Amino acid sequence: GAGVSQSPSNKVTEKGKDVELRCDPISGHTALYWYRQSLGQGLEFLIYFQGNSAPDKSGLPSDRFSAERTGGSVSTLTIQRTQQEDSAVYLCASSLTPVPTGSSTEAFFGQGTRLTVV
Amino acid sequence: AQSVTQLDSQVPVFEEAPVELRCNYSSSVSVYLFWYVQYPNQGLQLLLKYLSGSTLVKGINGFEAEFNKSQTSFHLRKPSVHISDTAEYFCAVRRINTDKLIFGTGTRLQVFP
Repeated sequence: GAGVSQSPSNKVTEKGKDVELRCDPISGHTALYWYRQSLGQGLEFLIYFQGNSAPDKSGLPSDRFSAERTGGSVSTLTIQRTQQEDSAVYLCASSLTPVPTGSSTEAFFGQGTRLTVV
Repeated sequence: AQSVTQLDSQVPVFEEAPVELRCNYSSSVSVYLFWYVQYPNQGLQLLLKYLSGSTLVKGINGFEAEFNKSQTSFHLRKPSVHISDTAEYFCAVRRINTDKLIFGTGTRLQVFP
């Protein structure tokens, strides 16, 4: 596609329910990132996928959070048993960055999914 | 581990005045540096980036940034701001041997008429 696409754009869920957030990266991009943007907290790194390598999950805040990337393209971020503190905008980004050649391109961001847990 | 510090959470400035948004990073290895901008109710877009070469980098909308290795800084500057520059600005760093992109907490630039 022309850009990174995220769905849904808005999600309201009840506390304790599970939610799935979807990200369609730019076609051909091998790197995919998930970030969480909370008011006053900036962009918090959650997880990073690069090609067929094991994902870097070091930013996931708890075991309620998980993500997968099927076929090296679409990614789904799942939050189980949602809590009110999970309310935030979840941003996905993709890039062409190859490693370890060292060349670098920027990450392109989707518009995000605004999650509200009530 | 690398980290990014944006010391100013908010920067108010009058239109046509110069502005500097500060960014400092820490990393034990060489890095690539980026500035992203997020206009109200919009997604993030790249403003400029430093990969190598000249330490003064020019970006879109008249912004520029200077990489200072000794001070581990990458401050963003614009000589004369416009109302339309009102936005959130994020500094980001990536080590050259990885793709993990780490962001600062952001600086809200508010331009007043």
